Amino acid sequence: DQQVKQNSPSLSVQEGRISILNCDYTNSMFDYFLWYKKYPAEGPTFLISISSIKDKNEDGRFTVFLNKSAKHLSLHIVPSQPGDSAVYFCAARIMNTGNQFYFGTGTSLTVIP
Amino acid sequence: ETGVTQSPTHLIKTRGQQVTLRCSSQSGHNTVSWYQQALGQGPQFIFQYYREEENGRGNFPPRFSGLQFPNYSSELNVNALELDDSALYLCASSRTGDGKETQYFGPGTRLLVL
Repeated sequence: DQQVKQNSPSLSVQEGRISILNCDYTNSMFDYFLWYKKYPAEGPTFLISISSIKDKNEDGRFTVFLNKSAKHLSLHIVPSQPGDSAVYFCAARIMNTGNQFYFGTGTSLTVIP
Repeated sequence: ETGVTQSPTHLIKTRGQQVTLRCSSQSGHNTVSWYQQALGQGPQFIFQYYREEENGRGNFPPRFSGLQFPNYSSELNVNALELDDSALYLCASSRTGDGKETQYFGPGTRLLVL
């Protein structure tokens, strides 16, 4: 039962262009969402988060958008850089259940120089 | 600020054996969560420890158990290893009580069960 889904296993983007990574979820009780970046042989690194009371959060080149009615989350990276090449995971938490996060299966982003 | 560390980095065991994995949480964090990441999948929540007690558990059998120590470090123990237990085991620390409780991950322990 995959409650958080990343339907694109991979994405290739030219350097300088925008990368858009998508995430869909099924549980309307999720109240907090995060994006992580993972390089090979390393643990996931926290990128950016958004609370369900917001629809946008921005941090430098990274912006996360939340569409609660569509149960859809997206991460925009602009401009994309070769160092952004990694696997990106979205994760979500159900309110009032402690700190258990549900992860998607990841999207592998390749930024072409 | 010291990040999350895990040991060992790699481990090979045989079916039926027992394994203990260790995690030191990030400075200032009081909560540790453990995840299993199989190849090509996202991390799956195993359990979480807060104040030395289990504080939530995912869909994993009882042969997966854990401990948290007064210094907030943690152990994951797996008994009666099965081939399907081969995976990357990730530890994440966070601070319960700050509202958002973002989890910060260690580099993981890669376990191979033969």
